[in-house]
Amino acid sequence: QQQVKQSPQSLIVQKGGISIINCAYENTAFDYFPWYQQFPGKGPALLIAIRPDVSEKKEGRFTISFNKSAKQFSLHIMDSQPGDSATYFCAASKDSGYALNFGKGTSLLVTP
Amino acid sequence: KAGVTQTPRYLIKTRGQQVTLSCSPISGHRSVSWYQQTPGQGLQFLFEYFSETQRNKGNFPGRFSGRQFSNSRSEMNVSTLELGDSALYLCASSLFGPRDTGELFFGEGSRLTVL
Repeated sequence: QQQVKQSPQSLIVQKGGISIINCAYENTAFDYFPWYQQFPGKGPALLIAIRPDVSEKKEGRFTISFNKSAKQFSLHIMDSQPGDSATYFCAASKDSGYALNFGKGTSLLVTP
Repeated sequence: KAGVTQTPRYLIKTRGQQVTLSCSPISGHRSVSWYQQTPGQGLQFLFEYFSETQRNKGNFPGRFSGRQFSNSRSEMNVSTLELGDSALYLCASSLFGPRDTGELFFGEGSRLTVL
């Protein structure tokens, strides 16, 4: 079964707006939560990642918010740009390993 | 620095055949993972290799197998192909070691179509 649930499936945001993608997990053994970005015809690429000892991590326009008690984490993209249009995947793993459990992805379209 | 290289990029097979996909990791990376990507199931973990040993395996039937060579290059094999095996197969490499941040570096994938 899907161990990481991601929503929404698709998202349309105007340029300059905030894009928000949410993920939820059940397994409390997960200790590493990355977000990957994938453009058509390319493999996913790491965007930003967080571990459960912090509640928020910011890198440029991208911020992960992490709520350990609710078992939820989210990606916020500030000042969204057309170049951000891609599919975003949240993921989780335990023992900080490479066996990532991915969400089903969110297709983001940023309109000019 | 060259990225992860996967070959072939595209292939078409028929049901019952077998297929071998190849992956060359980034130079210096010692761990290789494989993922299957389909529109319905998304990205699913197949297996991970380090030092020629399978460290983790996902929930796939035994028809899916892999191996890693001493130079860290990896291959995966799918035997007795089924229509549902049509997918993009992604290989990812990682450093594995004290400087490892946990990041997976993905190749562009091998797109398999089973007819």
